[in-house]
Amino acid sequence: DAGITQSPRHKVTETGTPVTLRCHQTENHRYMYWYRQDPGHGLRLIHYSYGVKDTDKGEVSDGYSVSRSKTEDFLLTLESATSSQTSVYFCATSTDLGREQYFGPGTRLTVT
Amino acid sequence: KNEVEQSPQNLTAQEGEFITINCSYSVGISALHWLQQHPGGGIVSLFMLSSGKKKHGRLIATINIQEKHSSLHITASHPRDSAVYICAVTGTASKLTFGTGTRLQVTL
Repeated sequence: DAGITQSPRHKVTETGTPVTLRCHQTENHRYMYWYRQDPGHGLRLIHYSYGVKDTDKGEVSDGYSVSRSKTEDFLLTLESATSSQTSVYFCATSTDLGREQYFGPGTRLTVT
Repeated sequence: KNEVEQSPQNLTAQEGEFITINCSYSVGISALHWLQQHPGGGIVSLFMLSSGKKKHGRLIATINIQEKHSSLHITASHPRDSAVYICAVTGTASKLTFGTGTRLQVTL
C-alpha cells in the first residue's frame, strides 16, 4: 500500500456550504488525483496534480478546486456544495502519469 | 458509447469455477489496468499491462491490442474473490479512463 489516507471518511453537509477534503500520502509520489465514483459511471477524474502548486483539470472539474502546497497533501474544495456533488471521492497517487495508481480509502460525501 | 466497456456487469459463480471478465476499449492506449474494489470500498491495482499476459496467483490478465480487448480470468474462484473488478485504460494525455466495473459474487 502507498500509505494514502483521506479525511474525513464520511461527511454530511448542506447545500451551499464549502467543503474541503484532504488526501495525505507518505510515499513521495509526484502525481496525485481526485476522482468521484457514482453509480452507473466509472471513476471520473476531477483534478490532478503533477507537483507542488502544479495542478490541472480533469473531465468533471466544474464546482471543484484543488491545492497542493506540500508533496504529501492534496486538498479538494467544493466551493458551494450542491446535491449533484453527493458522491464517493477517491484520492490516488502515482509515480508518473499513466502508471499504476494507488488509491485512498475514499470519502463518502452527502449534500442535503 | 463509453470508451471502456466491461462485460458482464454482474456475475455470480460457485466456488471453484473459472471466471472470465471482459473489457473492450475504443481508443488508442499505452496500457490497460485491472483493479479490484472490495465490498468495503477500497480499490487495489491488480495488473497493468500493455501486451501479452500477466499472472499473479489465481489471477490472469490478457490483452489483445489489435482487437482492443482484454480479459481477466480467475481460476478456482473463492468467496473472498467477491468484489467489483474495474478495467481502465491509459489513453489520451496519459490519463486513465475507467469502465463501470463488473460485480462478482462467488458463493459456496
